[in-house]
Amino acid sequence: KQEVTQIPAALSVPEGENLVLNCSFTDSAIYNLQWFRQDPGKGLTSLLLIQSSQREQTSGRLNASLDKSSGRSTLYIAASQPGDSATYLCAVRPFGAGSYQLTFGKGTKLSVIP
Amino acid sequence: GAVVSQHPSWVICKSGTSVKIECRSLDFQATTMFWYRQFPKQSLMLMATSNEGSKATYEQGVEKDKFLINHASLTLSTLTVTSAHPEDSSFYICSAKTGVNQPQHFGDGTRLSIL
Repeated sequence: KQEVTQIPAALSVPEGENLVLNCSFTDSAIYNLQWFRQDPGKGLTSLLLIQSSQREQTSGRLNASLDKSSGRSTLYIAASQPGDSATYLCAVRPFGAGSYQLTFGKGTKLSVIP
Repeated sequence: GAVVSQHPSWVICKSGTSVKIECRSLDFQATTMFWYRQFPKQSLMLMATSNEGSKATYEQGVEKDKFLINHASLTLSTLTVTSAHPEDSSFYICSAKTGVNQPQHFGDGTRLSIL
């Protein structure tokens, strides 16, 4: 059974700092990995999706890497802003026909202090 | 594009009542919708996968008679929590896919509180 772990559970940084969020998964047979943002009491906003054949994806100040063999992914946020404060979730989709279910980690709650 | 709307966003009701949550894909047709449940400080847990025109597939441990799912059209799926009890209080989120290998798009969730 796939398990997804995110470390740390919570992180507080001053505005402007660069930071890294970590995600690890136990089964490397994945189709893709996705990073989401969740604001309090809200649904999920997709940030980056990395296919299993890719090593990284970038969008603006965000960069996500994937090392499938070691079961790890990182989300790098450059020049953090207070508006980045949210919970960040990573999720993996298993490899296999018809396997669309996502397995989520518990998330990292990020607070960017002005 | 690819907007998913959930209604209601928040509901409080007495123990023993049934509650219906709607999930709509506003600008695309969704052959598959997913229902998740999220308890405080926990990850999203998939409850069931709903395919248009067929019975939903429930995850292990999810009672199909308690959580009724109907996916009658390509733009609407409903989750009905029957005879709700306080332990059913949670955040319920739906998602929808535009195609076979397309990513899931998530709704804003429904906060359910059972008194």
